[in-house]
Amino acid sequence: GAGVSQSPRYKVAKRGQDVALRCDPISGHVSLFWYQQALGQGPEFLTYFQNEAQLDKSGLPSDRFFAERPEGSVSTLKIQRTQQEDSAVYLCASSSTLAEEYNEQFFGPGTRLTVL
Amino acid sequence: AQSVAQPEDQVNVAEGNPLTVKCTYSVSGNPYLFWYVQYPNRGLQFLLKYITGDNLVKGSYGFEAEFNKSQTSFHLKKPSALVSDSALYFCAVRDEGFQKLVFGTGTRLLVSP
Repeated sequence: GAGVSQSPRYKVAKRGQDVALRCDPISGHVSLFWYQQALGQGPEFLTYFQNEAQLDKSGLPSDRFFAERPEGSVSTLKIQRTQQEDSAVYLCASSSTLAEEYNEQFFGPGTRLTVL
Repeated sequence: AQSVAQPEDQVNVAEGNPLTVKCTYSVSGNPYLFWYVQYPNRGLQFLLKYITGDNLVKGSYGFEAEFNKSQTSFHLKKPSALVSDSALYFCAVRDEGFQKLVFGTGTRLLVSP
């Protein structure tokens, strides 16, 4: 079956540009997560949605980062006025059940963002 | 606060030998523990999880992990390594009451023929 998909797979932006990264979760998955993975590091949590509600955005590094999931399926992570330190792989993950803490998260292939 | 430590940046093992990738964790409540594998230019692939019950958890591709509460460890093991197991392995923990995963820094496994 189809997994989590992300687009674009690669994005190069000039410093100061705005970018939008898209995530299509597994159909029917209630929970959606965004993580940031810097080179040589483990993924770090950015934000979490349960359906269309953004329940945790404690990991967003600044107010330049904004995420939405208006219809409870596709999600977009937007970064305004990109900086070089934003260069990373952005991973999206989804899981199936409402507030089921033991369900594993399924990850997409990620979007590699390079800010010049 | 939740945290995970993977003390080894790289583990080298010969094909056919047993392998162990170490992980220790810290949480305030009951831990939910996960192992993921990452191949180059790919996303994270789920291997196995510990929620409750038996301390030895079996997962995909012949991997297993042993939960040790007293040592707060969740080491990944495989009885006989394959060259194709060479990849980056991440341990992750989810604290009770939270949804997010907290990952370790990863351990690169290199299996030589």
